[in-house]
Amino acid sequence: DAKTTQPTSMDCAEGRAANLPCNHSTISGNEYVYWYRQIHSQGPQYIIHGLKNNETNEMASLIITEDRKSSTLILPHATLRDTAVYYCIVRVAGGNEKLTFGTGTRLTIIP
Amino acid sequence: DAMVIQNPRYQVTQFGKPVTLSCSQTLNHNVMYWYQQKSSQAPKLLFHYYDKDFNNEADTPDNFQSRRPNTSFCFLDIRSPGLGDAAMYLCATSRGTGRNEQYFGPGTRLTVT
Repeated sequence: DAKTTQPTSMDCAEGRAANLPCNHSTISGNEYVYWYRQIHSQGPQYIIHGLKNNETNEMASLIITEDRKSSTLILPHATLRDTAVYYCIVRVAGGNEKLTFGTGTRLTIIP
Repeated sequence: DAMVIQNPRYQVTQFGKPVTLSCSQTLNHNVMYWYQQKSSQAPKLLFHYYDKDFNNEADTPDNFQSRRPNTSFCFLDIRSPGLGDAAMYLCATSRGTGRNEQYFGPGTRLTVT
């Protein structure tokens, strides 16, 4: 699975949109981009995933660049409960089932 | 309703004393995983079961074993815990059809004294 690069930490004001970038320049054509988050002392939580089209669900939006070498997770109206470590993971669809977590981005929502 | 349940949430064991952590799921998922997460680190996969098929990660120590007696339950056995095995142990499940998300339990925090 392709490696990802994320900023170590970010701050965002409560109520504003949080934009979390992820670089995956070695991504292959059959690899999906997944985002998970882990709130302190809890298990990771799935957020969203996509292949090449932008995706949106009730939690977030995922914007993938046309060349698929980077993506951005958008939390449209961040709340204090969104403070967490956010992991961007690239994995092959239909391949082995494991998730390889990188270091992630620690997002802090500021009141 | 809890979908992936881990018991206990906190476990204290003595150095070298075998310990078993348990995980159950109400999702009827095919795949169950065990991850180890040490302090300030990302989760790291130890092994997973696809139905009854056990898949061990190459760098998982022999000290760690797992059992899956049925679809709903999966156990993590640490035969001789060392101080370095103190960590959060996370259980997760997925449908197993390739693109599906994983559902994680709350974890069991293991302390080794």
